[in-house]
Amino acid sequence: GAVVSQHPSWVICKSGTSVKIECRSLDFQATTMFWYRQFPKQSLMLMATSNEGSKATYEQGVEKDKFLINHASLTLSTLTVTSAHPEDSSFYICSARDIAGDEQFFGPGTRLTVL
Amino acid sequence: GNSVTQMEGPVTLSEEAFLTINCTYTATGYPSLFWYVQYPGEGLQLLLKATKADDKGSNKGFEATYRKETTSFHLEKGSVQVSDSAVYFCALRNNNNDMRFGAGTRLTVKP
Repeated sequence: GAVVSQHPSWVICKSGTSVKIECRSLDFQATTMFWYRQFPKQSLMLMATSNEGSKATYEQGVEKDKFLINHASLTLSTLTVTSAHPEDSSFYICSARDIAGDEQFFGPGTRLTVL
Repeated sequence: GNSVTQMEGPVTLSEEAFLTINCTYTATGYPSLFWYVQYPGEGLQLLLKATKADDKGSNKGFEATYRKETTSFHLEKGSVQVSDSAVYFCALRNNNNDMRFGAGTRLTVKP
């Protein structure tokens, strides 16, 4: 099946710094990519939907200035957590939907720990 | 709005036991229903899906039937293995292609 990669797989940063997470579709073109946040022992919460070449659509309660999303190509979307704080520590998962639009493929996730 | 409710875990079973993880949904229109599995340290993988009422999705011995009358999509497997230990997520996708996930059920199978 289609493969989605995320980089880095885990990151530790100091409070106040910014962290960029990359999401790539390796063997297909993704017109739409999704960013989720997963708290321990909880479900995935959709943060935002990004379409290639346009601004991301954020879910209610998600700060767009804090979680910057860029989807500059059909195979790459990035999530930048700006001025990270300990409460931003979480597991961030991206998914990509191919051009046919029938299925979402999920990345392995990135664990962010903010000290 | 659309939502998914699934059985709280954790669930612990012995090898070869029968598994049921309940999932019910609330949705407008005619959603597609999914079960995803997340193995330790990995991303979500699609396990099976059903796109319309009475459809049965199946894969790797797991089955789930789309029941519109009870708004359910319960996951079943007749004989679980240790390798089935993972977190299972029920999900729906509505006509707008928005996906909603249940809280996840952690399954541990002991030898």
